[in-house]
Amino acid sequence: NAGVTQTPKFQVLKTGQSMTLQCAQDMNHNSMYWYRQDPGMGLRLIYYSASEGTTDKGEVPNGYNVSRLNKREFSLRLESAAPSQTSVYFCASRLAGGQREQFFGPGTRLTVL
Amino acid sequence: GESVGLHLPTLSVQEGDNSIINCAYSNSASDYFIWYKQESGKGPQFIIDIRSNMDKRQGQRVTVLLNKTVKHLSLQIAATQPGDSAVYFCAENIYGNNRLAFGKGNQVVVIP
Repeated sequence: NAGVTQTPKFQVLKTGQSMTLQCAQDMNHNSMYWYRQDPGMGLRLIYYSASEGTTDKGEVPNGYNVSRLNKREFSLRLESAAPSQTSVYFCASRLAGGQREQFFGPGTRLTVL
Repeated sequence: GESVGLHLPTLSVQEGDNSIINCAYSNSASDYFIWYKQESGKGPQFIIDIRSNMDKRQGQRVTVLLNKTVKHLSLQIAATQPGDSAVYFCAENIYGNNRLAFGKGNQVVVIP
C-alpha cells in the first residue's frame, strides 16, 4: 500500500495563477482532509470530506475549493493564488468510526510569488 | 531543512536521556488524544494515542500521560536517540466530530 500520496511535491506559482493539488489514498478510508502548515504553526484545516459526496469547510477555507472525486481522491484547488497561500499543504485520510487516527501524505510545498 | 520548527518551543536533550514534551488542550469534551512526530521534509506520523478513560498508555519507548483535571497531556520518550529529533504535535478530538484540533508543536533536538 502506498498510503496517502500527493502531487506535486513542489510548485511555484505567480500571483493570480490557478492550480490543483492532488491527493489519493489506497486504504479504503472514508474521510479525507486538507491542511496547511506555516512556520511556527500547527496544522490548520482548510477543508475536509467526512465521506464520499460530502465536503465541509475547516478553519481557513477562504481562497480554496475542494472536490471529492471518488472515495480515493480529494483535490484542493487554488483559483487565483496569492502570496499568503505560500505554505506546505498536507492531505490526510481516516477510516472513520472508532478509528480516529489520521494518516498523512508527504506534503506539497507551494510558493506563490 | 524544514522551516516548520521555526519559533516553536524547543527541547534540547542529550542522547540517551529521557524527553518529556507537554501539551495543554482546550476542550473539556475531547475524549481522544494523539501524538504525531514530524521529521524535516515529511508529513506527520502517528506515535501513540490515548482515550479519556485512561490516564497512561505505553508504546515502544514512548509513554503518554493524560491529566483531564488540568487538561494536560505529555509525551515521554525514553533513551532519546538522534532519530527522535523532530517536531512533535498533540491533537485532540471529540467523539463524533470528524476533525482533529492540533497544537502548535514542540521541537526536540537530540544532542549526540
